[in-house]
Amino acid sequence: DSGVTQTPKHLITATGQRVTLRCSPRSGDLSVYWYQQSLDQGLQFLIQYYNGEERAKGNILERFSAQQFPDLHSELNLSSLELGDSALYFCASSPSGLRNEQFFGPGTRLTVL
Amino acid sequence: DAKTTQPNSMESNEEEPVHLPCNHSTISGTDYIHWYRQLPSQGPEYVIHGLTSNVNNRMASLAIAEDRKSSTLILHRATLRDAAVYYCILRDGNNAGNMLTFGGGTRLMVKP
Repeated sequence: DSGVTQTPKHLITATGQRVTLRCSPRSGDLSVYWYQQSLDQGLQFLIQYYNGEERAKGNILERFSAQQFPDLHSELNLSSLELGDSALYFCASSPSGLRNEQFFGPGTRLTVL
Repeated sequence: DAKTTQPNSMESNEEEPVHLPCNHSTISGTDYIHWYRQLPSQGPEYVIHGLTSNVNNRMASLAIAEDRKSSTLILHRATLRDAAVYYCILRDGNNAGNMLTFGGGTRLMVKP
């Protein structure tokens, strides 16, 4: 158990819908990262937040957005969903500092029908 | 981040040592070498990291070539639980973004 929790575990929805994925980092970790894992693209970094502020952006679509709240939990919002958005979404957290390891949650499996 | 090259898959027998290679010929002086693994149906898990010197921890050892253009992750006694995809990742020690850039990794299969 990494100490990072993600909810829900599974999500099935239809094209065009909007969903919110939630992540609670390990106690004391200030950084939260979101990654997407699909069969054709592998594991890809989406976005990072550090202590409530956006720190880095990767291959995140404009239809996707995220935020980190004062209690440090984070939410990833996916809207106007398409079939290709079906994937595993992982959240990771790490303490402050540039070279610390990242601790990954168990992931949310999103299926868009 | 600089690119890494790993074999797509490797096979090992249980209780034997496993050497997982990684080439990173374009590594820069500030790049750290990180290894993560992903067990089936789980999120990635940190294994080990190093800069120039060889490193050991309870999970594995990391051997880094003198020119730093390659490295090897060593599992001293493979168990069935070590069957996973192993990712070798370079992280710039000066990069404030600190994200991980995953390649294809090496799928390790462990035979009983």
